[in-house]
Amino acid sequence: GAVVSQHPSWVICKSGTSVKIECRSLDFQATTMFWYRQFPKQSLMLMATSNEGSKATYEQGVEKDKFLINHASLTLSTLTVTSAHPEDSSFYICSARAGTDYSNQPQHFGDGTRLSIL
Amino acid sequence: AQTVTQSQPEMSVQEAETVTLSCTYDTSENNYYLFWYKQPPSRQMILVIRQEAYKQQNATENRFSVNFQKAAKSFSLKISDSQLGDTAMYFCAFMKGGTGNQFYFGTGTSLTVIP
Repeated sequence: GAVVSQHPSWVICKSGTSVKIECRSLDFQATTMFWYRQFPKQSLMLMATSNEGSKATYEQGVEKDKFLINHASLTLSTLTVTSAHPEDSSFYICSARAGTDYSNQPQHFGDGTRLSIL
Repeated sequence: AQTVTQSQPEMSVQEAETVTLSCTYDTSENNYYLFWYKQPPSRQMILVIRQEAYKQQNATENRFSVNFQKAAKSFSLKISDSQLGDTAMYFCAFMKGGTGNQFYFGTGTSLTVIP
């Protein structure tokens, strides 16, 4: 149980294109979802936290107009990279959690999306 | 702010041997959780082991165990009887207790198990 599906797994597109990445909790309702960015051979950096039905909370230095997050349902959150440029190329990973207290509800990670902007 | 430090960028171990990965963290919180995640070449993050800060007993999961030293803010991972499938990046992570809790990850240790 507790499967998180991320789609697409790999996308290549031209500079200036907007790209949408989906994160779905397949067998549980995810009250909170997290979006991370990972550069090659580096750690995961939290970009934003999204709670169902409310605005996402962005980490310092992350442009909210550049990285649009929507968490419209308890099973789906989307990250849209608007007007993507080569410097946005990275590996993006989402995680999802049910409930509000970790003690009973751990985070579950998706398989990640490799974004390459030409 | 919370910081997590992994001082070993790369490590290697012979198959069937034991290896210990280091992690230290800095926090003023009293209620928190610590984790080790494994990220193989497939890039999926896999939970290896977790430790609740209020528990004095070190967590164990089969061949994986931790040495949790709360006063020293140290949380090392010991892998016994290393297997080829253990080759991966290992990330130490910190999470505050309570609501809205996100992970703070260390920079990772790349572990190679040598046949």
